[in-house]
Amino acid sequence: ETGVTQTPRHLVMGMTNKKSLKCEQHLGHNAMYWYKQSAKKPLELMFVYSLEERVENNSVPSRFSPECPNSSHLFLHLHTLQPEDSALYLCASSQDPRAGSYEQYFGPGTRLTVT
Amino acid sequence: AQTVTQSQPEMSVQEAETVTLSCTYDTSESDYYLFWYKQPPSRQMILVIRQEAYKQQNATENRFSVNFQKAAKSFSLKISDSQLGDAAMYFCAYRSAKWGMDSNYQLIWGAGTKLIIKP
Repeated sequence: ETGVTQTPRHLVMGMTNKKSLKCEQHLGHNAMYWYKQSAKKPLELMFVYSLEERVENNSVPSRFSPECPNSSHLFLHLHTLQPEDSALYLCASSQDPRAGSYEQYFGPGTRLTVT
Repeated sequence: AQTVTQSQPEMSVQEAETVTLSCTYDTSESDYYLFWYKQPPSRQMILVIRQEAYKQQNATENRFSVNFQKAAKSFSLKISDSQLGDAAMYFCAYRSAKWGMDSNYQLIWGAGTKLIIKP
């Protein structure tokens, strides 16, 4: 595997379900990100981890819970979601941007549908 | 707060022609980075080109080049000799370069421009 991978690629869940999204990066980066991408809206940054420590949490509802067990893996735990949470969830990684103009590398995304 | 605006929701171009996608941004900072990302229908977002604000020279990557006008806060992307594989959503993004700031993690994104290539 190369780059940033995400599983599953598609997920349909009911509002009472609990599921998790997984992201893995094979680039040796030390920062990882979760984004939400909805149609016709700019990407929304949800969470950032750098060196396995959460750096930013952009007022995301508590029904989204991130976990970063090491610098290569990032999870997004989902529970009691709402239909408006249906979107494409993108994971990205980079070197720590505080040290330079490091770009973010993205995974293919998980298309989430909440029924 | 910084904002990024892409005023063209959709653009189309004939194959082999040249197209320019526009991006404007608003910031009070003098040091920052600007990016163009491409997201094809397969959804994997990839970096097309990057510009450091302190550099006066416009960045170029093969058929892709930018016109960076710092005073006008404009950062347009020119695609020369358009190919069918260029069809995608194109996103412009901004990031602060203030060293050591937690805001460095935040990319400010435009809403995107859908580029259609006509064969």
